[in-house]
Amino acid sequence: AQKITQTQPGMFVQEKEAVTLDCTYDTSDPSYGLFWYKQPSSGEMIFLIYQGSYDQQNATEGRYSLNFQKARKSANLVISASQLGDSAMYFCAMREAGTASKLTFGTGTRLQVTL
Amino acid sequence: DVKVTQSSRYLVKRTGEKVFLECVQDMDHENMFWYRQDPGLGLRLIYFSYDVKMKEKGDIPEGYSVSREKKERFSLILESASTNQTSMYLCASSLRIEYTEAFFGQGTRLTVV
Repeated sequence: AQKITQTQPGMFVQEKEAVTLDCTYDTSDPSYGLFWYKQPSSGEMIFLIYQGSYDQQNATEGRYSLNFQKARKSANLVISASQLGDSAMYFCAMREAGTASKLTFGTGTRLQVTL
Repeated sequence: DVKVTQSSRYLVKRTGEKVFLECVQDMDHENMFWYRQDPGLGLRLIYFSYDVKMKEKGDIPEGYSVSREKKERFSLILESASTNQTSMYLCASSLRIEYTEAFFGQGTRLTVV
């Protein structure tokens, strides 16, 4: 069974600093995708970034990058130059290949950006 | 833009009632998902569907059932609502292939009294 672990319930970061949110996963399937979502206090789920298990390079999307270490089964999200608007819950998720593949989420990390 | 619409933003039901939560997507996605979100527990998958009339149990299916009679609509049914089903319910949809993201509805905050 696939599993996602986020060990940081809460994180603080100062504005303009970089922050890393941890995510480890467990799967026996060689083909899978890893996702990060942001959930601000409004409740909407916003897709941030994707990494495929066969991708050779780490994914980047603007200020977001994914530090993918396949052998260690980790997919940490790095946010550079934090902004006050980055304060939110962040969820890591995984989806295996196949027709009936479910999308599984971790418990989330609440990030608070301070002045 | 992909749109996933949940029928209610807030819902209050009584214990023992049968409750229907509706979700509609407009992008012809094969996959649809129902999650519940509780503080400290993240999003937990209740059921998902990968095609019309096809469904798979997620991690916490007990007390719930689903229906997918049309591709665009996925319903979550609480057969007999209980107070421990008070939660935020999120619906999502995606293409079947694993490297595409899921799109979420705005959520339904259900309170069972």
